[in-house]
Amino acid sequence: KAGVTQTPRYLIKTRGQQVTLSCSPISGHRSVSWYQQTPGQGLQFLFEYFSETQRNKGNFPGRFSGRQFSNSRSEMNVSTLELGDSALYLCASSIGQGRYGYTFGSGTRLTVV
Amino acid sequence: QKEVEQNSGPLSVPEGAIASLNCTYSDRVSQSFFWYRQYSGKSPELIMSIYSNGDKEDGRFTAQLNKASQYVSLLIRDSQPSDSATYLCAVNLRGAGSYQLTFGKGTKLSVIP
Repeated sequence: KAGVTQTPRYLIKTRGQQVTLSCSPISGHRSVSWYQQTPGQGLQFLFEYFSETQRNKGNFPGRFSGRQFSNSRSEMNVSTLELGDSALYLCASSIGQGRYGYTFGSGTRLTVV
Repeated sequence: QKEVEQNSGPLSVPEGAIASLNCTYSDRVSQSFFWYRQYSGKSPELIMSIYSNGDKEDGRFTAQLNKASQYVSLLIRDSQPSDSATYLCAVNLRGAGSYQLTFGKGTKLSVIP
């Protein structure tokens, strides 16, 4: 059974640009969450999607957005990149509403220069 | 502010000893509790889940939950150098729309040969 797949693995972008990250959940998992991980702040919740609907959003500016498609694949977008957006972005999927925990992908390492 | 708190460590234990990791959370109605292990440069891996008060054992790992004290812990028996990693406590907390999996900042464990 394939795990959670995130693409790309690494990205280098310039300040002001925008970026789109992709996540394919485990087959059958309808819930997808996104997290930002930095050394100082740890894992911070960005948003969660279930059946194409955003159910929850963390405390991030509107530059961070996401969506989920009918096949449960999800994308997140960050516009007008800032240096502080440099982080590991992790996607995680769950079979339900997270009661049984989430399985993480390998992440996308974003560097903003 | 609903939170999950962990001692950041580092926690150093000799090989073969018991490592004890602790976590407190703020939301009394939380129902699902998890421990994740994260090796340096890797994504978090789910190692234990617990939903009811008491102990849950899986191999060398024991998770303990006390909902009255809002406290969850992880014991690692016969610690091995391969257990050296950061351990993340995660709790399903009530968010704006529904529950969201919220992480502590992690405890770094070093097992000394």
